[in-house]
Amino acid sequence: DAKTTQPPSMDCAEGRAANLPCNHSTISGNEYVYWYRQIHSQGPQYIIHGLKNNETNEMASLIITEDRKSSTLILPHATLRDTAVYYCIVRASSGSARQLTFGSGTQLTVLP
Amino acid sequence: EAGVVQSPRYKIIEKKQPVAFWCNPISGHNTLYWYRQNLGQGPELLIRYENEEAVDDSQLPKDRFSAERLKGVDSTLKIQPAELGDSAVYLCASSLTGTVARTEAFFGQGTRLTVV
Repeated sequence: DAKTTQPPSMDCAEGRAANLPCNHSTISGNEYVYWYRQIHSQGPQYIIHGLKNNETNEMASLIITEDRKSSTLILPHATLRDTAVYYCIVRASSGSARQLTFGSGTQLTVLP
Repeated sequence: EAGVVQSPRYKIIEKKQPVAFWCNPISGHNTLYWYRQNLGQGPELLIRYENEEAVDDSQLPKDRFSAERLKGVDSTLKIQPAELGDSAVYLCASSLTGTVARTEAFFGQGTRLTVV
């Protein structure tokens, strides 16, 4: 069973920020929040991950609420190439639960 | 540095025939995963290797699917015999083993299997 809930689809105007929400209300203390995306006909691509602090890299920012029950992936200036399915995943830090369990994700469409 | 390499990219076979997929992980990555992705769905884990040991194969249909990872590097996934419902994209991924900070998985392009 997927441990995350995401909207099935979202649109965003090119050049605007894309904010993708994710609910993970049953997350436990040793589980990280990971984000991957999958562009059509390609394998999933790692974007970012975090535990409880907000994180930023060259691709995106990850905002995690203080209670860790939800998070938001922010693409600051979306481009047409950001059109993809975005997956939010919770993953344990160690042990047999370290596998990635994908849900259905959010189809983000960036509109010109 | 080369990423995860999979071959073939596409395969069309008749039902009841055997098929094999090959994966070469990123150099130095000792964790290897095989996923299956049906149309419109997220990838589902089939098997995970730590070096040459299969540590999680609970989702692998063992009556027709088999996998091996000789010498802890390359891996093959085999289906024998294939069924119509096996049509999917088969993805291979690899990662380092260690602290979470360095264990993000890198995926190959996948093999699209069509069983007719």
